[in-house]
Amino acid sequence: QSALTQPRSVSGSPGQSVTISCTGTSSDVGGYNYVSWYQQHPGKAPKLMIYDVSKRPSGVPDRFSGSKSGNTASLTISGLQAEDEADYYCCSYAGSYRVFGGGTKLTVL
Amino acid sequence: QVQLVQSGAEVKKPGASVKVSCKASGYTFTSYYMHWVRQAPGQGLEWMGIINPSGGSTSYAQKFQGRVTMTRDTSTSTVYMELSSLRSEDTAVYYCARDTTVTDAFDIWGQGTMVTVSS
Repeated sequence: QSALTQPRSVSGSPGQSVTISCTGTSSDVGGYNYVSWYQQHPGKAPKLMIYDVSKRPSGVPDRFSGSKSGNTASLTISGLQAEDEADYYCCSYAGSYRVFGGGTKLTVL
Repeated sequence: QVQLVQSGAEVKKPGASVKVSCKASGYTFTSYYMHWVRQAPGQGLEWMGIINPSGGSTSYAQKFQGRVTMTRDTSTSTVYMELSSLRSEDTAVYYCARDTTVTDAFDIWGQGTMVTVSS
């Protein structure tokens, strides 16, 4: 039950796009279309941003999108805004358990 | 509105146990599975396990097997997470998070409970 692999940090300027990757195995990311993404601001609880690889909950801006290829899922944020600066975590279903990525700190320059 | 309200911060000594509660409101308690997730200071999220509030069945992460117990009280719409044999590495914020049920994701989160393990 190893953690999914995410880059430690990414950055971009306002208005630009960034992509955060999340690499797992065929037992988790590659085996199921149950990848979700969470945004966490300092001192706050995580917030669901993407589920089922690419679906957005109501209220999440369409600037946030998700995709998957093989064992790697990706979160893309377009039209970066200052409030997007946060930590982002991917999570995958893996049968009887769930596994998170190590988290990626997004800095808006 | 739908919300999960957790119990307050705890300070425990190594070797002790802690029991954190998570009270649900605004929805049918028995219709949604509940997860527990923890986050050590400055670290990432870690999945601990899941409980079915309807029948009480549970599934735990291998790492916590034998040390964690998740229970529920349907009369008060509350789930509990008890962690025993605490060590300093268990110092973390513990979150309950509701499962969407129709898919696999955590759509509602509690505010978190800080558990500090220190001698």
